[in-house]
Amino acid sequence: QKEVEQNSGPLSVPEGAIASLNCTYSDRGSQSFFWYRQYSGKSPELIMFIYSNGDKEDGRFTAQLNKASQYVSLLIRDSQPSDSATYLCAAKTGANNLFFGTGTRLTVIP
Amino acid sequence: GAGVSQTPSNKVTEKGKYVELRCDPISGHTALYWYRQSLGQGPEFLIYFQGTGAADDSGLPNDRFFAVRPEGSVSTLKIQRTERGDSAVYLCASSLAALGGELFFGEGSRLTVL
Repeated sequence: QKEVEQNSGPLSVPEGAIASLNCTYSDRGSQSFFWYRQYSGKSPELIMFIYSNGDKEDGRFTAQLNKASQYVSLLIRDSQPSDSATYLCAAKTGANNLFFGTGTRLTVIP
Repeated sequence: GAGVSQTPSNKVTEKGKYVELRCDPISGHTALYWYRQSLGQGPEFLIYFQGTGAADDSGLPNDRFFAVRPEGSVSTLKIQRTERGDSAVYLCASSLAALGGELFFGEGSRLTVL
């Protein structure tokens, strides 16, 4: 079983809509969780991290964590074409490793 | 430099050859990670250094892969007897400390084994 699982998509949403990206993890010892964005042909860049149950908001982005369900999500409000990218969920284990999911490809349609 | 620097950006080699990939992290970053990313996949963890020592090398796929970081800064990933299945983008990332989890990635080294 993979450490971090994501629906690979692709996910298409119209411009201005909410995009919802989901992720589950297997290691209950995972302490913190990260969302990275990766444009085609580029390296990943950090969008947000979360380590407490509940929601964390940063501009148009909201990360949600439910440790009981081992579930992490990222909501993107007012989606823009420039948000079109692959979104990678990552979990940090007790050994300070960061494991990534396979990523979800998001397309925002103008 | 300001960011993580990886060289070469592209490497084409023949099956069975030896390859070295270099990573120069952000100055002052003590943690350094190597990942491998195949097309359509997320980064796959290979090895992580804290300072000069490999804190976790459990992701190295077999003994053909080896990495060093002798002075706690630049790291070299070494692949012996390359196979076609080694073809991927090798990403290096560094972090100020191994606690925060914000990794800064280089642009990667694309390895193609013919």
